[in-house]
Amino acid sequence: NAGVTQTPKFQVLKTGQSMTLQCAQDMNHEYMSWYRQDPGMGLRLIHYSVGAGITDQGEVPNGYNVSRSTTEDFPLRLLSAAPSQTSVYFCASGRPGRPYEQYFGPGTRLTVT
Amino acid sequence: AQSVTQLGSHVSVSEGALVLLRCNYSSSVPPYLFWYVQYPNQGLQLLLKYTTGATLVKGINGFEAEFKKSETSFHLTKPSAHMSDAAEYFCAMGGYQKVTFGTGTKLQVIP
Repeated sequence: NAGVTQTPKFQVLKTGQSMTLQCAQDMNHEYMSWYRQDPGMGLRLIHYSVGAGITDQGEVPNGYNVSRSTTEDFPLRLLSAAPSQTSVYFCASGRPGRPYEQYFGPGTRLTVT
Repeated sequence: AQSVTQLGSHVSVSEGALVLLRCNYSSSVPPYLFWYVQYPNQGLQLLLKYTTGATLVKGINGFEAEFKKSETSFHLTKPSAHMSDAAEYFCAMGGYQKVTFGTGTKLQVIP
């Protein structure tokens, strides 16, 4: 198993540009989530999904959209990038019955100029 | 509301010394508690977890943590630090659908 994969690893955007961060898992996990990590702030939940077709907002959802059309994929969309979205983004998944035990991807480092 | 507080954003220990990373939580229901480790430029890896049962939990790489309900604490310890333990450690508390993370403690191991 590849586990949780994320692409790209690094990305530089200009203010106002849009992009999609990709996340995929091959463990048949129902639960998937997106976090952003900023210095001194730990990890903050952006959006999460408890299964295909079901998504919900986390702590810091503004400026981000998600969808979950399949169990495997959970892309994160930035509609109009802002410098405040410069961060490291982590995708995670959780196995059935234990969604809180999360398996993390390697992260995407995003810089918005 | 649930919250997790990690005391000390940076901790330095000498190689071979005791490692103690502090975590306190606030929850209105019995919590599920976790410690994750993050090595530089990597994702987070589960170190250990407490769900129910034994309050002393052993994890990978010689780490352990003790759940103390009376003190609302879940401190992480290791008897003897190794250079490879240098990393950032996150305490987390889980509900069924959401996990709340602490702000992290960076552990420096001095040779």
